[in-house]
Amino acid sequence: GIQVEQSPPDLILQEGANSTLRCNFSDSVNNLQWFHQNPWGQLINLFYIPSGTKQNGRLSATTVATERYSLLYISSSQTTDSGVYFCAVEDFGNEKLTFGTGTRLTIIP
Amino acid sequence: DAGVIQSPRHEVTEMGQEVTLRCKPISGHDYLFWYRQTMMRGLELLIYFNNNVPIDDSGMPEDRFSAKMPNASFSTLKIQPSEPRDSAVYFCASRGADRGIQYFGAGTRLSVL
Repeated sequence: GIQVEQSPPDLILQEGANSTLRCNFSDSVNNLQWFHQNPWGQLINLFYIPSGTKQNGRLSATTVATERYSLLYISSSQTTDSGVYFCAVEDFGNEKLTFGTGTRLTIIP
Repeated sequence: DAGVIQSPRHEVTEMGQEVTLRCKPISGHDYLFWYRQTMMRGLELLIYFNNNVPIDDSGMPEDRFSAKMPNASFSTLKIQPSEPRDSAVYFCASRGADRGIQYFGAGTRLSVL
């Protein structure tokens, strides 16, 4: 099956810093989602982005489908951004999401 | 819409007991997915349904696990008998027919003692 790798596994930043999270996948995809799992365990949709670039406030994401990677940018980090960020993909011929192992982000005041 | 609704939010039970987790998908969504999250294995798909029909149950760990979707607005995941290694967070998700976003419920945190 498709493989999804995320980097870095852990990231600790001061409040106000910017960060870039990466997701590599091993095959072509027709769905890619970024999620934020907050400290209470809820999985929050951030982006549905099988290709191209999207922005939502301080967050933006870019997927380069031909090169099989996606990037999540967080600018001006806030403590509420802490948590685990997951990338999940759905490959062609499949209807289920395969999740990466996540990036744990900790924002220090 | 209230989103995907799961119940209970927390369940603590003793080994050998039957556990039933419930999920109400978003109205109008054709697909329903059950996932399990553990420290060791991360987030993994257990089973999914399309129009109430189970499509892929290859992720169901063993015969102690079963899932049903009797109608478009309700699904259950049952574990009988439960074991301590079943302790995990179980998520339900749904999406429409157009391969868009999967929306997740708040999860059920299961502890089997």
